[in-house]
Amino acid sequence: AQSVTQPDIHITVSEGASLELRCNYSYGATPYLFWYVQSPGQGLQLLLKYFSGDTLVQGIKGFEAEFKRSQSSFNLRKPSVHWSDAAEYFCAVYSGGGADGLTFGKGTHLIIQP
Amino acid sequence: DTAVSQTPKYLVTQMGNDKSIKCEQNLGHDTMYWYKQDSKKFLKIMFSYNNKELIINETVPNRFSPKSPDKAHLNLHINSLELGDSAVYFCASSRIRGNYGYTFGSGTRLTVV
Repeated sequence: AQSVTQPDIHITVSEGASLELRCNYSYGATPYLFWYVQSPGQGLQLLLKYFSGDTLVQGIKGFEAEFKRSQSSFNLRKPSVHWSDAAEYFCAVYSGGGADGLTFGKGTHLIIQP
Repeated sequence: DTAVSQTPKYLVTQMGNDKSIKCEQNLGHDTMYWYKQDSKKFLKIMFSYNNKELIINETVPNRFSPKSPDKAHLNLHINSLELGDSAVYFCASSRIRGNYGYTFGSGTRLTVV
């Protein structure tokens, strides 16, 4: 079965600094990969997704992610964070096979220091 | 217009009660889902419906039952509520089975006392 690991439970970054959130997946074929963001008390918003093609994916709010098959990773990056980026970030995988639905990682809580 | 709307946003109820959470999407999506987010923020799929057919049901107690009167609605009924049912429940929809990404509702925080 597919799985997603987000190794960092919490990350603290200074405002204006760069950000990288890690995500590793376990799946035999090429997965469909997603990053979602959840602001406090809110639902989940899709930041970006990867299905195929260019391994560097651009998303909303200035985020990007790079798919690296050799490392089974799909890390999320942003060159300069803003205080409004403080939220919970979830990586997810969809296998496209018999088991439907997205499998989510446990999330990374991003804290922005002034 | 809200794409995926859930009601109520908050629900406080006593153990043993029966309650329902409603979900509606106006995106014309074919598949709808219910997810449970526990106190540690972990998201786990509970159900999905495609064209009124249940196509996935994870290890969810049979006290939980989804009801889909039409393609735009997927309601969640919970019988004999237990303390452990306290969580945030998210409804979501997708165009085709989730590989285009989901659109989530804003969640229903259920507290069982």
